[in-house]
Amino acid sequence: NAGVMQNPRHLVRRRGQEARLRCSPMKGHSHVYWYRQLPEEGLKFMVYLQKENIIDESGMPKERFSAEFPKEGPSILRIQQVVRGDSAAYFCASSGPGDQPQHFGDGTRLSIL
Amino acid sequence: AQRVTQPEKLLSVFKGAPVELKCNYSYSGSPELFWYVQYSRQRLQLLLRHISRESIKGFTADLNKGETSFHLKKPFAQEEDSAMYYCALRGETSGSRLTFGEGTQLTVNP
Repeated sequence: NAGVMQNPRHLVRRRGQEARLRCSPMKGHSHVYWYRQLPEEGLKFMVYLQKENIIDESGMPKERFSAEFPKEGPSILRIQQVVRGDSAAYFCASSGPGDQPQHFGDGTRLSIL
Repeated sequence: AQRVTQPEKLLSVFKGAPVELKCNYSYSGSPELFWYVQYSRQRLQLLLRHISRESIKGFTADLNKGETSFHLKKPFAQEEDSAMYYCALRGETSGSRLTFGEGTQLTVNP
C-alpha cells in the first residue's frame, strides 16, 4: 500500500496562472481532506470530500479555490489566478469511514513567482 | 470555536533526558486528541491518539480535561526522536476535520 499519493511534489506558477494539485487516497479510503500550511504556521483545514460530494468546505477561501473528488481518479485542488499569498505547502489526507485516523501525503509545495 | 496551542516552537534536550511537549486546547465538548510527528524529509504520521491509550516509541500522552491539555511525554529522549511534533484536535460537532497546533520542533542532542 503506497499510502496517500500527492503530485506534483513541487509546483511553480506565475501570478495569474492556475495551479492543480492532485491527491490519490490510500487504497480503501473514500474520505479526502485538504490542509494548507503557510510558512511558520500549523496546518489549516480547507475542505473535506467524499466521492463526488463536498462534505465540509468551511476552510476554503471564498474565491479562486475549488476542490473535487470524482467517481474515478484523484481528488483535485484547483487554485485559479494564483497570487503570491497562495505560496504554501498543501497536504492531502485520507481516511476510512467512522472515526478512523487520517493518513497524510507528502504534500505539494506551491511557489508563486 | 476550537483551538490548539503548542506554546513552544522549539525544544532542545539532551539524549537520555525526559521530554515533555506541551499541548493545550480550547473546545467546549468532548474532543478527540492526536499527536502527529514529521521526521526530516518524511510525511506527517500519526503517533498517538488519546482514545487508544497506548505508548508508541516510548511516548505517552494523557488527556487532562480539567486542564484542557494533552501533553506528550517520554522519560528518556533519543536522538532519533528529533522531529516536528503537531498536536491536533477533532471535535464531536466539527465533523472529521482536524485542528492543528503550530508544532514544536524537538531536537535531541547527543
